[in-house]
Amino acid sequence: NAGVMQNPRHLVRRRGQEARLRCSPVKGHSHVYWYRQLPEEGLKFMVYLQKENIIDESGMPKERFSAEFPKEGPSILRIQQVVRGDSAAYFCASSWALGTYLPGNTIYFGEGSWLTVV
Amino acid sequence: ELKVEQNPLFLSMQEGKNYTIYCNYSTTSDRLYWYRQDPGKSLESLFVLLSNGAVKQEGRLMASLDTKARLSTLHITAAVHDLSATYFCAVDGYTGNQFYFGTGTSLTVIP
Repeated sequence: NAGVMQNPRHLVRRRGQEARLRCSPVKGHSHVYWYRQLPEEGLKFMVYLQKENIIDESGMPKERFSAEFPKEGPSILRIQQVVRGDSAAYFCASSWALGTYLPGNTIYFGEGSWLTVV
Repeated sequence: ELKVEQNPLFLSMQEGKNYTIYCNYSTTSDRLYWYRQDPGKSLESLFVLLSNGAVKQEGRLMASLDTKARLSTLHITAAVHDLSATYFCAVDGYTGNQFYFGTGTSLTVIP
């Protein structure tokens, strides 16, 4: 793991509360991706951001979910009014360039934030 | 919709045995990735296969790619307990900014 930092690692929220997950990419990386992993499933793409811009949010639920990657500071994935179905592991990844196909453009994953909604 | 299917989903094997995990995908991508995930941990990149016929080996693991058949295999040779983990394959999306992951193969190596 090349240094994608996520926090908190574990988060418990009651239904209706808000969850904020933070991701600091590898130093020098300006491309951030969020994935969600439901129990017993593979990772599903949610959103791709560059600094201050959402580039592709095709995997984001239309309501309650939002993401940002400000000029300064970590990327934030925000889930409002959480429901039990939001319980999952949320992984952040970063890369130095766009294009999973570019030679040398390794995508690094963080260790994930495990959200439990009770 | 792009689909990535792995089989088996669960694999229990004895130490010393060989086995193969299969990954089928529906896109025309010629790039495929294998990752390992330990419980409660992030994904560790194992192999990046970038062309048809690519074969890569690391220790007891060997991965290959057949883009015409849209099939990748992860072969395990003489399994050891340390290989117990969940293995995911993934392919590029059409825009190059996301991966599509398979559902994973949970491997348990029994002493």
